[in-house]
Amino acid sequence: SQELEQSPQSLIVQEGKNLTINCTSSKTLYGLYWYKQKYGEGLIFLMMLQKGGEEKSHEKITAKLDEKKQQSSLHITASQPSHAGIYLCGADPRNSGGSNYKLTFGKGTLLTVNP
Amino acid sequence: NAGVTQTPKFQVLKTGQSMTLQCAQDMNHEYMSWYRQDPGMGLRLIHYSVGAGITDQGEVPNGYNVSRSTTEDFPLRLLSAAPSQTSVYFCASRGEDLSYTQYFGPGTRLTVL
Repeated sequence: SQELEQSPQSLIVQEGKNLTINCTSSKTLYGLYWYKQKYGEGLIFLMMLQKGGEEKSHEKITAKLDEKKQQSSLHITASQPSHAGIYLCGADPRNSGGSNYKLTFGKGTLLTVNP
Repeated sequence: NAGVTQTPKFQVLKTGQSMTLQCAQDMNHEYMSWYRQDPGMGLRLIHYSVGAGITDQGEVPNGYNVSRSTTEDFPLRLLSAAPSQTSVYFCASRGEDLSYTQYFGPGTRLTVL
């Protein structure tokens, strides 16, 4: 079965600094989702990448998909306290090779932004 | 448009008690699923449904039952709660668009004593 490894597991940055979170897959990535979770809340969908080399941005968050490296990165520019939370990557269910409904998640990266 | 809703938000049970976690969505999504989130384990799929009347097991189905009588609702039943079921439970749904994006509810934090 596919596994997703996120790095780093946790990250503390000063407000205004840039940061990158990585998500590496044990199998070929056909698509990759990024979610954000605040403590005690549900998962908020950020963006989805479907094609190798694809790059998407939303406000100060940019995500890229590198199919060859089986990796996706999430980059936050000029971080703010509102960016704090847990970031999770999820693999497109078509990766499972069977049922196309079983979304696989990484274990998450905890981001703290100090004012 | 409320999206995916879950009740209750918090619940404490004693070992052996049963209960039902409620999940509803108003987006007319066919696919719904239940995950549990545990420290160090990430999100794991419990059960899922591809439409009314159709359910299937996920990664960790033991101790849980589901049914899908309507498109909107997908309740998760704990038959006899165990301390190992202490977790945060999330319900999710997705539509038929090609992005396969799943939308999550706010979660139910369950403690089994």
